[in-house]
Amino acid sequence: GAVVSQHPSRVICKSGTSVKIECRSLDFQATTMFWYRQFPKQSLMLMATSNEGSKATYEQGVEKDKFLINHASLTLSTLTVTSAHPEDSSFYICSAMDQLNEKLFFGSGTQLSVL
Amino acid sequence: DAKTTQPNSMESNEEEPVHLPCNHSTISGTDYIHWYRQLPSQGPEYVIHGLTSNVNNRMASLAIAEDRKSSTLILHRATLRDAAVYYCILRDMGDDKIIFGKGTRLHILP
Repeated sequence: GAVVSQHPSRVICKSGTSVKIECRSLDFQATTMFWYRQFPKQSLMLMATSNEGSKATYEQGVEKDKFLINHASLTLSTLTVTSAHPEDSSFYICSAMDQLNEKLFFGSGTQLSVL
Repeated sequence: DAKTTQPNSMESNEEEPVHLPCNHSTISGTDYIHWYRQLPSQGPEYVIHGLTSNVNNRMASLAIAEDRKSSTLILHRATLRDAAVYYCILRDMGDDKIIFGKGTRLHILP
């Protein structure tokens, strides 16, 4: 079964609203989680590294005020897309590292459509 | 970051072996070679990883060149469910972060 749970799987929202995506590690604790976005027919692009109990580290070109990341516990990280616009429509994917076996597990992704 | 080079796409017939190549000529001594695959509309899933020796698991085999500058993912008997984008990724043993390249889109012909 899935070891990283991501919700919702699909969301449609109006322009200007905020959307929160949750990422949970089910079988292990994750001090670090990652958030990616993916446009159709393209590869995954790393947006930020989410660190439990501290601020997220954003990749170059990713607006930290636009994409708010909270990692309040060892099993939960959230990504909030604030004031969403149509150009934010994308497939968002989270991942978490199981330190014990050195494997990175991915959520099933969230398809965001902003009207 | 050390980079990898993969063919954009490959085709294979169902129930035949598939060899997916990956070049990583700038690999460092502490880089692990990881393979992930992504089925349509899903997040990537782990396939296999290795450092120097060839590796086998229930999903695939990983053959690593002696100089570690290239590797090959081997699917021993492809099925239609193996149609996906396969990513070859280098990850330093001290780094959790994974940067994805463009990957190889594998088409399986019935």
